[in-house]
Amino acid sequence: NAGVMQNPRHLVRRRGQEARLRCSPMKGHSHVYWYRQLPEEGLKFMVYLQKENIIDESGMPKERFSAEFPKEGPSILRIQQVVRGDSAAYFCASSGIEQFFGPGTRLTVL
Amino acid sequence: DAKTTQPNSMESNEEEPVHLPCNHSTISGTDYIHWYRQLPSQGPEYVIHGLTSNVNNRMASLAIAEDRKSSTLILHRATLRDAAVYYCILRDSGSGNTGKLIFGQGTTLQVKP
Repeated sequence: NAGVMQNPRHLVRRRGQEARLRCSPMKGHSHVYWYRQLPEEGLKFMVYLQKENIIDESGMPKERFSAEFPKEGPSILRIQQVVRGDSAAYFCASSGIEQFFGPGTRLTVL
Repeated sequence: DAKTTQPNSMESNEEEPVHLPCNHSTISGTDYIHWYRQLPSQGPEYVIHGLTSNVNNRMASLAIAEDRKSSTLILHRATLRDAAVYYCILRDSGSGNTGKLIFGQGTTLQVKP
């Protein structure tokens, strides 16, 4: 897990607010995956990005969710107008042969 | 993505070996077998992977059946820190695959002192 940074580690938002989750991959990695883990459930793939490109967003909800990985800076997962059902742990991973996961951001929507 | 089947939970005693089974009867020729584990309140952690031959690393061993329809993760001496959810995942190495991991429910391993 060393090397993949996520912040914040914990985020509390009220319904209707925006949540921004950041992920810095391991040094030298240009591929990032985002996963979501709802309470008491397994991890679900959301989106796969390379620098400046979304490669696979088949797991992203159709509305309110977006992701980017700019040329400079971290990857950002953005959730607009959060609802209680968005409360979950969000993990990012950067990839070589194996995926290295960050510690996650735990989002709580009040 | 091909599906895997694992027992929901297993128990082990500390210092004893643990064999975690995984069935993947629909595995394809380009699927690698990956194992990850997730300790409480942490992100998943890579454990081991293999294609056809048995594999060993500092964390565990992976025994793959000759027909590749099943595999077993072996922890040689379980410690309390090995208590986690263990995920068996098939990852397609074929061209065009994005490398995303499809997690099932995994096996929750409890280690008793």
